[in-house]
Amino acid sequence: KAGVTQTPRYLIKTRGQQVTLSCSPISGHRSVSWYQQTPGQGLQFLFEYFSETQRNKGNFPGRFSGRQFSNSRSEMNVSTLELGDSALYLCASSLDGRTFYGYTFGSGTRLTVV
Amino acid sequence: AQTVTQSQPEMSVQEAETVTLSCTYDTSESDYYLFWYKQPPSRQMILVIRQEAYKQQNATENRFSVNFQKAAKSFSLKISDSQLGDAAMYFCAYRSSDTGTASKLTFGTGTRLQVTL
Repeated sequence: KAGVTQTPRYLIKTRGQQVTLSCSPISGHRSVSWYQQTPGQGLQFLFEYFSETQRNKGNFPGRFSGRQFSNSRSEMNVSTLELGDSALYLCASSLDGRTFYGYTFGSGTRLTVV
Repeated sequence: AQTVTQSQPEMSVQEAETVTLSCTYDTSESDYYLFWYKQPPSRQMILVIRQEAYKQQNATENRFSVNFQKAAKSFSLKISDSQLGDAAMYFCAYRSSDTGTASKLTFGTGTRLQVTL
């Protein structure tokens, strides 16, 4: 069974640009969550998508957005990149986001903003 | 809002020895879930062990076990017979059972575990 796949693994962007990150969940999983990991702020919840709908959202500015497709694959987009957006972005999938069994994470996308 | 605190930024253990990582949390909820995740240099967060708050019995997964003290809001992880492959960042995480926020994990700041020969 394939795991959670995140692409690309590494990305370098310039301030002011926008970026799109992709996450393919485990087959059959319908919930996809996104987290930002930085040395200063640690791991912070961005948002969760379930059945193509955003179900839960963290405290991030509107520059951070996402979507989910009918095959449960998810993308997150960051517009007008700032230096502080440099981080590891982790995606996690679960069957429905509500069961006890936790989440399976991908290996993340390392975004560097210069 | 819930918070998770890991007061040990770094820990070190000798191979084959036992180490305990601490985690405390703050919540007003009575039903919730707790997790320990491991993040090796490969960056992928790997679930180590999970605990349901309404279960008094401490969870165990092979060499990993927890000491869950609900009243004290404490959830420590014990690693027995430590192996070199256990070296990683360990994160404690909380998840509400409230259906409105159930999908969100709140993480602690992590404990870096070194395993020495």
